[in-house]
Amino acid sequence: LAKTTQPISMDSYEGQEVNITCSHNNIATNDYITWYQQFPSQGPRFIIQGYKTKVTNEVASLFIPADRKSSTLSLPRVSLSDTAVYYCLVTRNQGGKLIFGQGTELSVKP
Amino acid sequence: EAGVTQFPSHSVIEKGQTVTLRCDPISGHDNLYWYRRVMGKEIKFLLHFVKESKQDESGMPNNRFLAERTGGTYSTLKVQPAELEDSGVYFCASRPQGYDGYTFGSGTRLTVV
Repeated sequence: LAKTTQPISMDSYEGQEVNITCSHNNIATNDYITWYQQFPSQGPRFIIQGYKTKVTNEVASLFIPADRKSSTLSLPRVSLSDTAVYYCLVTRNQGGKLIFGQGTELSVKP
Repeated sequence: EAGVTQFPSHSVIEKGQTVTLRCDPISGHDNLYWYRRVMGKEIKFLLHFVKESKQDESGMPNNRFLAERTGGTYSTLKVQPAELEDSGVYFCASRPQGYDGYTFGSGTRLTVV
């Protein structure tokens, strides 16, 4: 599975839109892009998954360009409770293990 | 629906002792995974069960680690004897067949002193 690269940390303020970009240059045809969120003292939690173009759910949006070598997780109007680590993963549909990178530590300030 | 439950939440043991971690997956989830994060490192895969069978144990660090899944329900991960480098947070996750979303437990924080 392709390795991913994302910023180590980001700062934001309440009410702002936050965009976290992830690069995955070696993504394969069968691979999906999946994002997880992790709060302190908890396990990672699935946020969103996409293959191409745009996916939106009640939590976030995921933008994937045509070449699929990168993706952007968009969190609209963040609040303090969105402070967490966000992981971008390349996953194979219905496939085994997850490969985690370092993640992006998002800090939302009042 | 109950989530993935892990016991204990914290464990402090001395080097050389034995510790057993337990994971109760979501009922009906055939797939069960163990992961761990050691200090300062990334979350790493340990192994994957499909029902009671080990599908992939390529991430198990050495033979001091033994994982079992009795009757395809709960799973245990035993570390015997524990070493200092085994300290970290051990996560369990489960997933139903045909679905790509994993549900993680809150983890067991293991400290070996």
